[in-house]
This record gives sequence, C-alpha cells and structure tokens, in this order.
Amino acid sequence: SQKIEQNSEALNIQEGKTATLTCNYINYSPAYLQWYRQDPGRGPVFLLLIRENEKEKRKERLKVTFDTTLKQSLFHITASQPADSATYLCAGSRAGNNRKLIWGLGTSLAVNP
Amino acid sequence: ETGVTQSPTHLIKTRGQQVTLRCSSQSGHNTVSWYQQALGQGPQFIFQYYREEENGRGNFPPRFSGLQFPNYSSELNVNALELDDSALYLCASSLEQAGTEAFFGQGTRLTVV
Repeated sequence: SQKIEQNSEALNIQEGKTATLTCNYINYSPAYLQWYRQDPGRGPVFLLLIRENEKEKRKERLKVTFDTTLKQSLFHITASQPADSATYLCAGSRAGNNRKLIWGLGTSLAVNP
Repeated sequence: ETGVTQSPTHLIKTRGQQVTLRCSSQSGHNTVSWYQQALGQGPQFIFQYYREEENGRGNFPPRFSGLQFPNYSSELNVNALELDDSALYLCASSLEQAGTEAFFGQGTRLTVV
C-alpha cells in the first residue's frame, strides 16, 4: 500500500545545530511533497512544498530536498531554536489530483537550550 | 492564523450518539478536506468536498458523511459514534489545483465515552 514513512523516534538536538528530518515514500510516486509543523492539540501549519522536478527548496532557516532516486525528502532546520520544538509532518500528493494527501506519522523534534 | 475556523473546539459524546462538526474555509478556497487524527498518529483522510460535491473519500464507513455549502463552509457528521471515533478532527481548506498547500483549522477534539 502507499505509504509515507517518517522516523518515529524523537529527535533531540542542541540549540544552534541543524536538525534533519527524513521522509520516505513507499509504493508511491508523489509529484509534490509538503512539510507541516504541528504543535500539541493544534492543526498542522504549512511550511514548505517541493515538486518532484525540484531538487531543493529554501525558506529562511528551512531547506527541503526531493530525491526521486532514493524516494526520499529531507527537511533541514538550520540554527535551530527551542521554539522549533514540535512535530513535523510530511505529506505527499499526486499531480492532477489534490483529493488526497498521504501523511506520515510525524517526527517529534526537541531543541534543547 | 490560517483563516480556517472549526467549531466546537472540544466535545464529549456518548457511544451511539451523533455529532456534527463545522468548518469555515479560508476566503477564496473552494475545496475542504476533513481528517481524523488519533493521538500520536498522522492525519487520516476522511473525504474532500469541492464546490458542494464529494470529491474523494478515504477508508471511512458511511456513518461518516459531510456537506459543503455554497459559501464553501463544511460540516462533518458522524452517526452511531464508537469509542474509537475519539480523535482530533481537522478541517483543511485549499484551492483545487494539485500541489497547493492546505490550511488547517485548530481542530475539534472529540471524546466518545
């Protein structure tokens, strides 16, 4: 079945370091991958979208990559801050069809001061 | 704030009862999607509405139904509530084109006892 997999283990890093989160897609060829941030009890907040023909996208301290060979997207937060602590979700969708985003379970990030 | 509002924010219902959750989409967005998110899980797609018609459905039984109104606001109805229906219910509005980001409301926390 189609699946988006994210590392279920929480990621703990020191403030100022770069956090790298992984999203793998299985039995699936998304045309778009999206990354969202979710705080406890709140809805996800959109961060970045990358298309399959884009290798890399940046927004301020955030960078996302899309590797169709490895079937993987990496999400980087540089110069991390305690305020970046949250769960980060990856979601994929196909071209020509926005009906269904397939979501990963999310990776919890804790940035320690 | 995303401009997507959901009501109520919290709700407690008894098994077997029926519930209606409401969502006002962001201005200009004609597509609304509903998701169920259990604790520690990623969002699970329930269905999507585009211009008042159901436009895709996930693996949820028929007792989950919905409506979209001419102003693009939406309702999610769940009949014959079961304990496993306890979850955070998220509404997301978007444009219908593929690869556009979804804007989520804060969610409705439903507890079935």
